[in-house]
Amino acid sequence: GAVVSQHPSWVICKSGTSVKIECRSLDFQATTMFWYRQFPKQSLMLMATSNEGSKATYEQGVEKDKFLINHASLTLSTLTVTSAHPEDSSFYICSASSGTYTEAFFGQGTRLTVV
Amino acid sequence: GDSVTQMEGPVTLSEEAFLTINCTYTATGYPSLFWYVQYPGEGLQLLLKATKADDKGSNKGFEATYRKETTSFHLEKGSVQVSDSAVYFCALSDLQRGGKLIFGQGTELSVKP
Repeated sequence: GAVVSQHPSWVICKSGTSVKIECRSLDFQATTMFWYRQFPKQSLMLMATSNEGSKATYEQGVEKDKFLINHASLTLSTLTVTSAHPEDSSFYICSASSGTYTEAFFGQGTRLTVV
Repeated sequence: GDSVTQMEGPVTLSEEAFLTINCTYTATGYPSLFWYVQYPGEGLQLLLKATKADDKGSNKGFEATYRKETTSFHLEKGSVQVSDSAVYFCALSDLQRGGKLIFGQGTELSVKP
């Protein structure tokens, strides 16, 4: 299957700072990328869907000014958590898909801890 | 809207036991169905999938059949191993139309030697 790389795999930041997480499709062009958030022992909650070259579509209840998503190319999407607070600590996972595949491919996830 | 319901965990089995994790769904249209596995501290890996009714997905001894009449996609394995301990997520999507994945709540499986 196709490979999606997420970076960093873990990050610790101070409250009030911003953190950027990258999601790259290494061997295919991802027309759509998805960002999920997962709390311990819970399911994945979709935060937003991004299509290359257009604005992301955010799920209800997700603050778009706090979670900035950029999908500037067919192989890269970024999620920036702005002015992070301890309650933003979570596991963030991206996935990518294209019209060629009938499945989405997941990154390995990023563990964010805000102190 | 579309949704996925899985049996609640945790499920604890002895090695070589038979595994069933139930999954049912509601959807408009004709979604694809998936089982993903998540090992501790990692992202999700696709375990198997089925894209149309009556399709059977299989991988690493796991199987699931897309049953449109019962709107189900139950995961089964004849003989589990300790290494199968993980969280299993059932999901649906209409990805070919740019649809998003909708996940069940996940079922934690613990296999004891």
